[in-house]
Amino acid sequence: QLQLQESGPGLVKPSETLSLTCTVSGGSISSSTYYWGWIRQPPGKGLEWIGHMYYSGSTYYNPSLKSRVTISVDRSKNQFSLKLSSVTAADTAVYYCARNSAGGFHIWGQGTMVTVSS
Amino acid sequence: QSALTQPASVSGSPGQSITISCTGTSSDVGGYNYVSWYQQHPGKAPKLMIYEVTNRPSGVSNRFSGSKSGNTASLTISGLQAEDEADYYCSSLTSSTTYVFGTGTKVTVL
Repeated sequence: QLQLQESGPGLVKPSETLSLTCTVSGGSISSSTYYWGWIRQPPGKGLEWIGHMYYSGSTYYNPSLKSRVTISVDRSKNQFSLKLSSVTAADTAVYYCARNSAGGFHIWGQGTMVTVSS
Repeated sequence: QSALTQPASVSGSPGQSITISCTGTSSDVGGYNYVSWYQQHPGKAPKLMIYEVTNRPSGVSNRFSGSKSGNTASLTISGLQAEDEADYYCSSLTSSTTYVFGTGTKVTVL
């Protein structure tokens, strides 16, 4: 069955760029039915939608993060990525990748904790 | 975009039914049938429980049901069980083709 796995540095310095990759296994990222996206959760707080990408490459971002976020795809590796620039302590969170269809996030990765600290 | 409003906590005894509300606006919950609900146990990734307001994914107990009226969606858990104790979040598509989550509700089984 389809599985998602996040990977990337667990520690990022303030003002630098956070970069994470989500590897998709058990299915193709190029399927026309799905959106592939990122969601985060600061420690002890709720979920925040970051953005997602359609198989065609169209991207949609949270307005509050739009100026700092880029989601891209590497079809050859069946992966998609998140870049968040100019990070601060407020960006410390567990970051999840997820597959969306019919308005629901049906499949989630296990999540990866990213701490912003010098 | 503002987070959808959920009660901070809801509790019930085993076997009872509880309902969690999720209030938005006509630009999100009220405007689209793309409301979904997630269950999250501590330290775990969220799990989809309801999508498109009323649909249950395969494998989700029929004790979980969803509905919507106007700008408010609801998740009802019937026959409450100890394993249902968790945090629950709603989500909705918005008019900007983005998504917004609810503030989250902690469900306690007494």
